[in-house]
Amino acid sequence: EDQVTQSPEALRLQEGESSSLNCSYTVSGLRGLFWYRQDPGKGPEFLFTLYSAGEEKEKERLKATLTKKESFLHITAPKPEDSATYLCAVVPTSGTYKYIFGTGTRLKVLA
Amino acid sequence: EAQVTQNPRYLITVTGKKLTVTCSQNMNHEYMSWYRQDPGLGLRQIYYSMNVEVTDKGDVPEGYKVSRKEKRNFPLILESPSPNQTSLYFCASSLAGSSYNEQFFGPGTRLTVL
Repeated sequence: EDQVTQSPEALRLQEGESSSLNCSYTVSGLRGLFWYRQDPGKGPEFLFTLYSAGEEKEKERLKATLTKKESFLHITAPKPEDSATYLCAVVPTSGTYKYIFGTGTRLKVLA
Repeated sequence: EAQVTQNPRYLITVTGKKLTVTCSQNMNHEYMSWYRQDPGLGLRQIYYSMNVEVTDKGDVPEGYKVSRKEKRNFPLILESPSPNQTSLYFCASSLAGSSYNEQFFGPGTRLTVL
């Protein structure tokens, strides 16, 4: 069964304290892995798409990496405005084009 | 402004009273999708549509219906709502059903079924 697991569920960081969020996945084949950011009461916003193991993408303080079994979202020197829930999703090769989301990591960055 | 809109944003209803949540996008996107979000369960896909007249079940389609008669609209229909359908619902769209295309999400519809 296709599955996505994110850890930790919640994370509190001091401003400037770097860390990583994990997304482990089990799929028969991978079309793509997506990272989204969700602020309270709002719809998710797209951050990155990764397609194959070894790929990396960066945007400001965020860097996403991908292996054959997991993806990491590295946050370097976070600021309070980085506080949000970060969601990981995969699209497996089985089926037409179905998204499977993890339950997310709630990040709180303290000033 | 490019956007996905949903209506209503908030809805309180009673068990068994049919309702429709509308979703519309102005970006000429082919792919549209409905999700529900529940605490501890995350976002789960209900139905998706690769293009007009083409729809497929997601992980949690029971109790829901959809139709895609026009490219811009993808309404979600609850024929006989039950309390376990109380949730936060999101509509999303992307240029095509391809991993090269990001999904754009609507603002959400908070539904309470009493």
